[in-house]
Amino acid sequence: SQTIHQWPATLVQPVGSPLSLECTVEGTSNPNLYWYRQAAGRGLQLLFYSVGIGQISSEVPQNLSASRPQDRQFILSSKKLLLSDSGFYLCAWSVASEAFFGQGTRLTVV
Amino acid sequence: KQEVTQIPAALSVPEGENLVLNCSFTDSAIYNLQWFRQDPGKGLTSLLLIQSSQREQTSGRLNASLDKSSGRSTLYIAASQPGDSATYLCAVLNQAGTALIFGKGTTLSVSS
Repeated sequence: SQTIHQWPATLVQPVGSPLSLECTVEGTSNPNLYWYRQAAGRGLQLLFYSVGIGQISSEVPQNLSASRPQDRQFILSSKKLLLSDSGFYLCAWSVASEAFFGQGTRLTVV
Repeated sequence: KQEVTQIPAALSVPEGENLVLNCSFTDSAIYNLQWFRQDPGKGLTSLLLIQSSQREQTSGRLNASLDKSSGRSTLYIAASQPGDSATYLCAVLNQAGTALIFGKGTTLSVSS
């Protein structure tokens, strides 16, 4: 069966520090991969999606970037975190259109 | 630009009631529509997926309908239980299959 791993579960980082969140999928090949952010009181915002290795599309210009070095690995990064980057980050994958989500990373920038 | 709206934002019901959650979307050119459940501080659990050519899907006490032409979907929960308390999210997938756009959710509280 397919599973998705996302880590860490929680993270507290100072302003200006770098960020790397990792997501891996098992049990499937060539999935579409997504990064979402859920801020307090707001809906889920699509940040990036990828349809293949090295193929990244950005939905919202901001302080973050994404990379897909392997078929089932998706990484969300930042060189310098801002306070406004705080939120709940969710990785998702889809094959044949149904989407499945990881358990999320709670990021607090202080 | 696709926008998804969910009404109501919050709902409180006593155990045993049947209830309906509403979702509307502005662009009817969708690939599918998916309903999710989110418990506090957790990720999303997929509940039901309706392809654009389908009218409804059922899983246990849950039934989701889709009227693509009018841009509406409903999630019907029968005989609600306290364990159903969560936030329910509706999302539509664009025709290219690349962007899943979410509503802000309906937070359901079922009291025993």
